[in-house]
Amino acid sequence: DADVTQTPRNRITKTGKRIMLECSQTKGHDRMYWYRQDPGLGLRLIYYSFDVKDINKGEISDGYSVSRQAQAKFSLSLESAIPNQTALYFCATSDRREITDTQYFGPGTRLTVL
Amino acid sequence: DQQVKQNSPSLSVQEGRISILNCDYTNSMFDYFLWYKKYPAEGPTFLISISSIKDKNEDGRFTVFLNKSAKHLSLHIVPSQPGDSAVYFCAASGPGSYGKLTFGQGTILTVHP
Repeated sequence: DADVTQTPRNRITKTGKRIMLECSQTKGHDRMYWYRQDPGLGLRLIYYSFDVKDINKGEISDGYSVSRQAQAKFSLSLESAIPNQTALYFCATSDRREITDTQYFGPGTRLTVL
Repeated sequence: DQQVKQNSPSLSVQEGRISILNCDYTNSMFDYFLWYKKYPAEGPTFLISISSIKDKNEDGRFTVFLNKSAKHLSLHIVPSQPGDSAVYFCAASGPGSYGKLTFGQGTILTVHP
């Protein structure tokens, strides 16, 4: 089984709808991240959480919210989806006990907002 | 302000030859650098990393070089194989990053048989 899973893998929705993307991990890591990938822009950080009670905005948090339901679960919500939120979304985890900052990614969710 | 830049959107190489992917950074506080590889429909996977106390790190066919004075790193793949065709992202972190990574835009590598 994959260490970091994301659901759904693909989603098509309409402008104005509320969408939730979910991430679960079995790696036992305390840190979790949400990124979006757009062509030519690389991976940009939306939100990150260093533990259940510690949630922080990344560089592009406007229009998004998150919830850390447990150490293993981190969900991303689009309260009112708009077309420019069409992108690939990735969840990642890391372990604060590691000396390095290596992050481990889920398989991604392709979101299309019509 | 793009702190990590990969200025080549794509690179095409013949199988068996060397692939060189480049990455520049502007933040002098960065002290740890990583390369990730991403296949279509999959998430990025960690490939190789280097600390600023080194100028070279090697893992099989993959070598990363770091030039701190130029704020430049490169990934060498020798020999290149068709299975290396993917998007490659460089990323960086430092003492002020608190575990966060800053990614470049990515370079699409195509290795032709």
